[in-house]
Amino acid sequence: EVQLVETGGGLIQPGGSLRLSCVASGFSVGDNFMNWVRQSPGKGLEWVSVIYSGGSTYYADSVKGRFTISRDNSKNTLYLQMNNVRAEDTAMYYCAKFERYCTSSSCYLWFDPWGQGTLVTVSS
Amino acid sequence: DIQMTQSPSSLSASVGDRVTITCRASQSISNYLNWYQQKAGKAPKLLIYAASSLQSGVPSRFSGSGSGTDFTLTISSLQPEDFATYHCQQSYSTPIYTFGQGTKLEIK
Repeated sequence: EVQLVETGGGLIQPGGSLRLSCVASGFSVGDNFMNWVRQSPGKGLEWVSVIYSGGSTYYADSVKGRFTISRDNSKNTLYLQMNNVRAEDTAMYYCAKFERYCTSSSCYLWFDPWGQGTLVTVSS
Repeated sequence: DIQMTQSPSSLSASVGDRVTITCRASQSISNYLNWYQQKAGKAPKLLIYAASSLQSGVPSRFSGSGSGTDFTLTISSLQPEDFATYHCQQSYSTPIYTFGQGTKLEIK
């Protein structure tokens, strides 16, 4: 069964650091495109970061320079290192695998599956 | 960046109703549009990918349509378990994958 389980959330002060983990089962993190998506309380979903199977990484402007996505293939785990956090980083953080379908001319991507999420609260 | 706008933001309907939710992109995204359902306290779940392809296991009362900038998610006959928040998401503008703000579907 394909499954993602996030851990590492908690209460953290502004300016602090936190590392989120996402353990995958049923597939290899290193062979797939993996993402972090967050949802602030009562708000919509916001894509945060992606790491492609080749290792390239990309970030939303809101976290660029502060967050780092990485993976450990031997542990089949995805990480999100969060530095210099702000109140607006308060959210449920989900990891999600990109599923892909490619034709001769197009490649479609969608988030599936998702983990259950881990809550990060930034407050003094 | 491509902006995704859903309407309405919230919607009240009754069991058995036909419901349509709209998602508009700020520029053409062809059919690179996905729909998710999120129940309270749970992670989102994929319903529709590539604008109109139904994810395996999703009931056939759900359907998606559209191309370019305008898309719709239709539930043909609402069931009690369909009351949730629905999100659209574009994958045209890689690697920035934006979502709409969500549409909350409530029981009338």
